[in-house]
Amino acid sequence: GAGVSQSPSNKVTEKGKDVELRCDPISGHTALYWYRQRLGQGLEFLIYFQGNSAPDKSGLPSDRFSAERTGESVSTLTIQRTQQEDSAVYLCASSLRGGLAGGSAYEQYFGPGTRLTVT
Amino acid sequence: GQNIDQPTEMTATEGAIVQINCTYQTSGFNGLFWYQQHAGEAPTFLSYNVLDGLEEKGRFSSFLSRSKGYSYLLLKELQMKDSASYLCAVRVNAGNNRKLIWGLGTSLAVNP
Repeated sequence: GAGVSQSPSNKVTEKGKDVELRCDPISGHTALYWYRQRLGQGLEFLIYFQGNSAPDKSGLPSDRFSAERTGESVSTLTIQRTQQEDSAVYLCASSLRGGLAGGSAYEQYFGPGTRLTVT
Repeated sequence: GQNIDQPTEMTATEGAIVQINCTYQTSGFNGLFWYQQHAGEAPTFLSYNVLDGLEEKGRFSSFLSRSKGYSYLLLKELQMKDSASYLCAVRVNAGNNRKLIWGLGTSLAVNP
């Protein structure tokens, strides 16, 4: 079946421009996560959507970052007035569930990422 | 605060066994994951532990001790393709939700 897809795969933009990154989760997955990974660094949590609940935005680094998700479908991550330090790979992941129950249903499936370069 | 520690780098020989350790100090522990990430690729799921003990899956096994805040990933019969970064992640309570806290990963190099 189809996995998590992200677009574009690569994005080069000038400092100060806005960018929009897209994530298509696996069909039926209620939870969706955005991460940032700088070169040689670990995963940095940005934002988490669970069904129709209010998103957990605790990882967003500044108010230039925002994300939306309609229901349990596509999500977009928007970065306004991009800065050079925003250059990174932006990874999206989805999981079957993300709530209070246990089990491997929380396994996160990652998309291939969007490599963002701000010049 | 929430903290996960893993060695930065490890080296092993093809055919050998390697153990990658992960220690954590978190609140509201609710499971530990191991992921594999090859260079330039997205992480892929390897294992999940929520109870103490060893979970075996082919050449890979993962162990958890909740009282010690400790886990390890054991890779047997190492192959060159096992050269990758191995990420430890702990699921913690975050209000009414759960979130994953990620370690920085252990870069494993398998030599012939």
